[in-house]
Formats: sequence, C-alpha cells, structure tokens
Amino acid sequence: DVKVTQSSRYLVKRTGEKVFLECVQDMDHENMFWYRQDPGLGLRLIYFSYDVKMKEKGDIPEGYSVSREKKERFSLILESASTNQTSMYLCASSPTDRVEKLFFGSGTQLSVL
Amino acid sequence: GESVGLHLPTLSVQEGDNSIINCAYSNSASDYFIWYKQESGKGPQFIIDIRSNMDKRQGQRVTVLLNKTVKHLSLQIAATQPGDSAVYFCAETFQGAQKLVFGQGTRLTINP
Repeated sequence: DVKVTQSSRYLVKRTGEKVFLECVQDMDHENMFWYRQDPGLGLRLIYFSYDVKMKEKGDIPEGYSVSREKKERFSLILESASTNQTSMYLCASSPTDRVEKLFFGSGTQLSVL
Repeated sequence: GESVGLHLPTLSVQEGDNSIINCAYSNSASDYFIWYKQESGKGPQFIIDIRSNMDKRQGQRVTVLLNKTVKHLSLQIAATQPGDSAVYFCAETFQGAQKLVFGQGTRLTINP
C-alpha cells in the first residue's frame, strides 16, 4: 500500500521555537507538497518541490522554508514559530505526469503557544 | 490579511438519499478539475476528476458535472451511506501547472 508518512500527528511548540515537520513517501514520486489547512479556508499551498534540491514557493510561503535533500523526504521548517502558524499541516506527493492526483499524509496538527 | 476559523459550509442528507456538493471556480484557464474526500483524522483522498473537454464523468456511485459557462462544478453521490461522511474539496489546475488550487471544502453529514 502506497504511503505518505508524516512524522508527528500532534505537536505543541512555543512561540519563537524552530519547528521541523518531516514527510516521507514510498512511491518514488517526483513532486512533493506542503499545505496548511484551516477551517473554511481549504488547503493552501505553502511550498512544493518537483525534484531533489528544488523548491518553489506556493501561495503562503512567508514564515516557512523547506528542504528536499532526498527524493523521498520533504521537510517543512518554521524558523521562528508564531501563534498564527497554529494549523493542520498536510504533506502530499504526486508523480510528475499526474500532478493532480495527490497522495496525502494524515497531517500534523501543530499548536504554537 | 486572511482570517482563520471561518465557518465550513455544511450539507446534511438522509442516509439513502442522493447528495449534491457544489463548487464554483474562478480561473478561466483551468482545464482540469478534481474532487477529494477527507475523512476525520485522515488526509484528503482523490475521488474523481474531469477534464474541461467533458461535461460529465461517472465513477462508482459518484458523478461529476462541469459547467464551464458558469464556472461551476458539482459532485453527486448516489444513495449516500454513513461512510460518505467527510469534508469534500474541489480542486482545479491547468495544463503545465505543477500545483492544484483547492476550494474551501464542504462538510457532508449523513443523518440516519
């Protein structure tokens, strides 16, 4: 069974902390994505990557950075967490030729206090 | 700036009835549309897609209708079951794009 695995289901961090959210996929997909999900706002794209060491800004990249050192792993970094970054974070992957067919992880609910 | 915690549109239907979930899109360049289902505690899951050269596509118990004239997309679920309870998202993209744009989502609740 194909899988996108996010390292934590729940995280609680303090304002100003550096936060790492990890995502691993086992489908050999080229594309990987980070979304945040807030009620009534749908899924908003933070960053995506279409190849190792490549990254592209999404719609709301401010306050975030990413790292893709290996094809299967895509990390989201909050350099200095703030309370408005409290949210559900979803990682997804897709093959190059089927960018519309995303496979999502179960999400990480991050609370910044 | 954007606000969070907005109310999520909700649709309640009786078990066994048909459900229709609607979505409006704004980008005239979009030529590919997708529906995702998100059950509680899980990530969204691909349900069905449709290209702009079609106006209807059927899957198992689901039908997607596309009206390009009014930029409207709908998902019809036949004989709704308790397992259909979820948040449903429409998404759009266009050829050459490397990302999807998602709608805000609709929560479907099934009444016994």
